[in-house]
Amino acid sequence: QVQLQESGPGLVKPSETLSLTCTVSGGSVSSGSYYWSWIRQPPGKGLEWIGYIYYSGSTNYNPSLKSRVTISVDTSKNQFSLKLSSVTAAETAVYYCARGPEAVTRGHFDYWGQGTLVTVSS
Amino acid sequence: QSALTQPRSVSGSPGQSVTISCTGTSFDVGDYNYVSWYQQHPGKAPKLMIYDVSKRPSGVPDRFSGSKSGNTASLTISGLQAEDEADYYCCSYAGSYTFYVFGTGTKVTVL
Repeated sequence: QVQLQESGPGLVKPSETLSLTCTVSGGSVSSGSYYWSWIRQPPGKGLEWIGYIYYSGSTNYNPSLKSRVTISVDTSKNQFSLKLSSVTAAETAVYYCARGPEAVTRGHFDYWGQGTLVTVSS
Repeated sequence: QSALTQPRSVSGSPGQSVTISCTGTSFDVGDYNYVSWYQQHPGKAPKLMIYDVSKRPSGVPDRFSGSKSGNTASLTISGLQAEDEADYYCCSYAGSYTFYVFGTGTKVTVL
């Protein structure tokens, strides 16, 4: 059973950089069969895909966030990470890491972390 | 890229069927058979219920089914049960620029 766990600061100041890490267990980020994604959800609102990474380091990002997002992978630690710069209060959200999509298709996100609330406030 | 449009809420009595629509465009739902549906209980992470329009992951009851016609996908819950009360989100692949767009979300209430 694949499990994902987000970690990182729960409070970030406006204009600073949000940094989160996702640790994967029961599976390998190096498997090559999947991409690994970050998805967020503001309180009481819907889901937004942020971006994904492949074990090789290849990435794709939501075009609305592309200029401020960096996703990286550390295969030795079986982790992948998110950095989002110049954050605003509107980016207060629960941030999820998830497995998906599959490398061959483009379909879906099948395993999710429990999510971590990041509040942007001074 | 705008979010896919879902009804804000649907409701039904135990044992009844409810259907949630997910309306997109010819650039997302209408162009790809990569629509997925997620169930989210309060304070919990989303759970994959349907993928590739109509496929069910292992462990998901066959009461849940998916379909698509044109730019609109649908999730049907048959034989509604109390534990089905949750928020439901659709998601579609939208090509190699936008990538993924989620729906606005639908709250399912079991009366």
